Amino acid sequence: EPEVTQTPSHQVTQMGQEVILRCVPISNHLYFYWYRQILGQKVEFLVSFYNNEISEKSEIFDDQFSVERPDGSNFTLKIRSTKLEDSAMYFCASSEVGGGSGANVLTFGAGSRLTVL
Amino acid sequence: KQEVTQIPAALSVPEGENLVLNCSFTDSAIYNLQWFRQDPGKGLTSLLLIQSSQREQTSGRLNASLDKSSGRSTLYIAASQPGDSATYLCAVPRGKLIFGQGTTLQVKP
Repeated sequence: EPEVTQTPSHQVTQMGQEVILRCVPISNHLYFYWYRQILGQKVEFLVSFYNNEISEKSEIFDDQFSVERPDGSNFTLKIRSTKLEDSAMYFCASSEVGGGSGANVLTFGAGSRLTVL
Repeated sequence: KQEVTQIPAALSVPEGENLVLNCSFTDSAIYNLQWFRQDPGKGLTSLLLIQSSQREQTSGRLNASLDKSSGRSTLYIAASQPGDSATYLCAVPRGKLIFGQGTTLQVKP
């Protein structure tokens, strides 16, 4: 069964450092997403991406965050200068269709755990 | 604004019990509702997706129901097993997915 692959599975970084989290979505999917889950809290939406541009972003997704699809397969989340409160599990997801469609079924990756010290 | 709530936050049952997890949402204008399973420190595995036109979906020992008018969905797990121990999340789409906080289930042998 096709899956979404995320790397690294766990990254430890110092506050202020740049971090790039990588995702390989399912090959025929056109919509890509990042979500995060701070320990003990809800899974929260960060950003959605379609046709090489951001289609929606949450208030969490400030100027410290950026997303990119550098080639035909990877989808990355960059945090420019990490803060302690960025420590969380980051999930990548992809879907064939987007928006509020009833057919909008997201497939999630296993997550990248980011620990900021 | 759509809000999703799950009750209870945690549940512990002996093996073999049938159990019900609850999910409620404030805006009944949903396209679908999805139930996920999350194992500790792991990703989200989709269990069931119910379209707004459906009342229930079944997969093995899992049965999910949807009552849009009352803003509720339930996930019924029959004959629970220790391997069912996990956190169960429900989510509804509003462009992005809006998640409940989850119910952490422990099934004791």
